[in-house]
Amino acid sequence: GAVVSQHPSRVICKSGTSVKIECRSLDFQATTMFWYRQFPKQSLMLMATSNEGSKATYEQGVEKDKFLINHASLTLSTLTVTSAHPEDSSFYICSARAGQGLEQFFGPGTRLTVL
Amino acid sequence: AQSVTQPDIHITVSEGASLELRCNYSYGATPYLFWYVQSPGQGLQLLLKYFSGDTLVQGIKGFEAEFKRSQSSFNLRKPSVHWSDAAEYFCAVGARDSSYKLIFGSGTRLLVRP
Repeated sequence: GAVVSQHPSRVICKSGTSVKIECRSLDFQATTMFWYRQFPKQSLMLMATSNEGSKATYEQGVEKDKFLINHASLTLSTLTVTSAHPEDSSFYICSARAGQGLEQFFGPGTRLTVL
Repeated sequence: AQSVTQPDIHITVSEGASLELRCNYSYGATPYLFWYVQSPGQGLQLLLKYFSGDTLVQGIKGFEAEFKRSQSSFNLRKPSVHWSDAAEYFCAVGARDSSYKLIFGSGTRLLVRP
């Protein structure tokens, strides 16, 4: 149980285009979903927290107009990187929390490469 | 706000040797703590977690960790390392508030000598 999927696993896009990444909780309802970014050889940095039906809460320094997060249902959150540039190339990982649980369940990540 | 320090960037051990990865946290109350492992290009795999109770926690793959409140530490141990344990290890601390945020340490890369 507690499986989280991400789609796509890899995406390559041209500079200036927008990319959407999906995060789904497959066998549970996600009270909260989190989006992290991980640059090569670095740790995970929390970008934003989203609760179903409400606006995402962004961490300091994360541009909310660039990284659009939509949490439309209890099993799906999307991250859209708008007008992507090479510096946005990174590994994006989502996680989900169920009910009142303390644990986050992580997706397998999405490798974004912006040319 | 919570913070995590993993003081060792790299650790190299011989296969069969014991392992200890250090993790120190900063948090005003009792945190909840995790250790994750990540292979190159892969997502995170949970090794073990501490929420409360017994301070010695057993995890998967023969790993264990001990929560020491007096030292603000949650070190990961394994008595005998296997070559397949080579990976990046992350300690994470969670806040006991409504944010449920996790803060990750910078990670320790484990190399295993044959």
